[in-house]
Amino acid sequence: AQSVTQLGSHVSVSEGALVLLRCNYSSSVPPYLFWYVQYPNQGLQLLLKYTTGATLVKGINGFEAEFKKSETSFHLTKPSAHMSDAAEYFCAVRTLTSNTGKLIFGQGTTLQVKP
Amino acid sequence: ETGVTQTPRHLVMGMTNKKSLKCEQHLGHNAMYWYKQSAKKPLELMFVYNFKEQTENNSVPSRFSPECPNSSHLFLHLHTLQPEDSALYLCASSPRDRDNYGYTFGSGTRLTVV
Repeated sequence: AQSVTQLGSHVSVSEGALVLLRCNYSSSVPPYLFWYVQYPNQGLQLLLKYTTGATLVKGINGFEAEFKKSETSFHLTKPSAHMSDAAEYFCAVRTLTSNTGKLIFGQGTTLQVKP
Repeated sequence: ETGVTQTPRHLVMGMTNKKSLKCEQHLGHNAMYWYKQSAKKPLELMFVYNFKEQTENNSVPSRFSPECPNSSHLFLHLHTLQPEDSALYLCASSPRDRDNYGYTFGSGTRLTVV
């Protein structure tokens, strides 16, 4: 069965600092991996995804993530945090074998950006 | 515009009321989902519909009754709710036959049960 673990439920960085949000997955088959962002009282918005091909994927708002199969990780990074990046971030994996094709979400990480 | 529209955005209801949440998408997707998001809790998948048929019900209390009349519309009928049902209810959709697509979410309905 697939699962996702996000290390750290709360991450705080200073404006302009590196953002690193950690995600590890468990899957017996090659996964599709996703990062979503949720602003207060909003739905989840897709930031980026890895399906096949290049392991470093770029998303919106300057975020990127690298798929590392050997480490079963898909960490999200951004070189320089902006105040507007403060939000909840969710990592998700999609099973390739389930007949419902549903996404499995991590617990979420709240990113706080300090001025 | 996310492509998935949820109405109403906010709802306050008493424990004896009956109300419905609506979700609509015109993205051509054929799978739709209801999620519950409570404060300080992870996303909880409630129901999954594929091609209008319910394929998953994650032990949701019967006071929540979903309805999917077609692939574009999803409802969540609510009756005799409890205060602990107060949460953000999110609807999502996806193309069932494209596993690399992910979900498209609506903005949610903030429900308060008083």
